[in-house]
Amino acid sequence: RKEVEQDPGPFNVPEGATVAFNCTYSNSASQSFFWYRQDCRKEPKLLMSVYSSGNEDGRFTAQLNRASQYISLLIRDSKLSDSATYLCVVIQPSGSARQLTFGSGTQLTVLP
Amino acid sequence: DGGITQSPKYLFRKEGQNVTLSCEQNLNHDAMYWYRQDPGQGLRLIYYSQIVNDFQKGDIAEGYSVSREKKESFPLTVTSAQKNPTAFYLCASSISTINQPQHFGDGTRLSIL
Repeated sequence: RKEVEQDPGPFNVPEGATVAFNCTYSNSASQSFFWYRQDCRKEPKLLMSVYSSGNEDGRFTAQLNRASQYISLLIRDSKLSDSATYLCVVIQPSGSARQLTFGSGTQLTVLP
Repeated sequence: DGGITQSPKYLFRKEGQNVTLSCEQNLNHDAMYWYRQDPGQGLRLIYYSQIVNDFQKGDIAEGYSVSREKKESFPLTVTSAQKNPTAFYLCASSISTINQPQHFGDGTRLSIL
């Protein structure tokens, strides 16, 4: 089993739709979680951290389910500009840089 | 403006040639990283450095070398031993390596001539 797994998609949704991605992780002791957004041929950019209690930033909601070992990202009222690849990042408790693991990303296309 | 600067944006390598990718940050971050991304794939860690004059191998260090003589700078050399160097190379930095998100430069695309 991969350390961090994401459904690669692509997810094609109409404007205004609600879409959700999951990211599963194998190490139950993982401590910190993030969602990044990567536009085509660009660098990843931090979208939001994922807190245990769940957190919201405008149309974006991130949640953590420790029992089932996954994090999720929900996007409401999708915009064309939300089209991108979404990468989840999991930090595992080793205290070194190798503890940070990227998923391979989920591709989202929002259609007009 | 604070940030991470990678150069060049595009780089071409001839057979048997070593090339060096530049990464500079003015964020006063202690930790710096190099990743490689192939089409449709996630990021793979090449090397990282937690502090000046120290660096560690990542998951795919073979054929690469780095140095960290200054806090701001973490250049990556792609040596002739790296037989498949064509990829998107991303440099990142973070305040430390513990539970901190990373911030990325805008990348260097390396191709073989």
